Amino acid sequence: AQSVTQPDIHITVSEGASLELRCNYSYGATPYLFWYVQSPGQGLQLLLKYFSGDTLVQGIKGFEAEFKRSQSSFNLRKPSVHWSDAAEYFCAVGTTSGTYKYIFGTGTRLKVLA
Amino acid sequence: DAGITQSPRHKVTETGTPVTLRCHQTENHRYMYWYRQDPGHGLRLIHYSYGVKDTDKGEVSDGYSVSRSKTEDFLLTLESATSSQTSVYFCAISDRTGRDPEQYFGPGTRLTVT
Repeated sequence: AQSVTQPDIHITVSEGASLELRCNYSYGATPYLFWYVQSPGQGLQLLLKYFSGDTLVQGIKGFEAEFKRSQSSFNLRKPSVHWSDAAEYFCAVGTTSGTYKYIFGTGTRLKVLA
Repeated sequence: DAGITQSPRHKVTETGTPVTLRCHQTENHRYMYWYRQDPGHGLRLIHYSYGVKDTDKGEVSDGYSVSRSKTEDFLLTLESATSSQTSVYFCAISDRTGRDPEQYFGPGTRLTVT
């Protein structure tokens, strides 16, 4: 069965520090991969996406993610975190055959210390 | 922004009453999805549609039904609402032409069942 795992429920970093949020997936082929961010009481905003090609993907707000096929991972990174990055982050997988569905991880809540 | 609206945006209802949530799109996308979001669970798929009158169950479909009589509208019905269905409900659409596998989200509906 397809699944997405975000092993870290909560992460706390200091402002200016680097950030890496982990995402692992289980799928029988290379899926479409997404990272979303959600601020409290708000909807989901797409940060970045991977369809094919270059495995290092650049997104909005200075975020990037790297697809590693051998590890079934799509980790999100940012070199220097800003206080406004405090939010919840979701990794998602899109199926690439059959009826198209998306599977979401349970999210990682990021807290940023001033 | 993709043209997706959800109505109502907020609703409070009593246990045992029927509730219908509406998702409306102006993008003519083939795929439409209903998710619920609960703390610690991320987004979980309730039902989805891959065309007019073509629908299928997601991972948390019990207690929910859907209908899609035209491309632009996807209705989610709680036949007899229960407190466990208190949640935030998101509608999403996708074209899935292969050129754009991205999923676009509506603003969400906050449903409280008392």
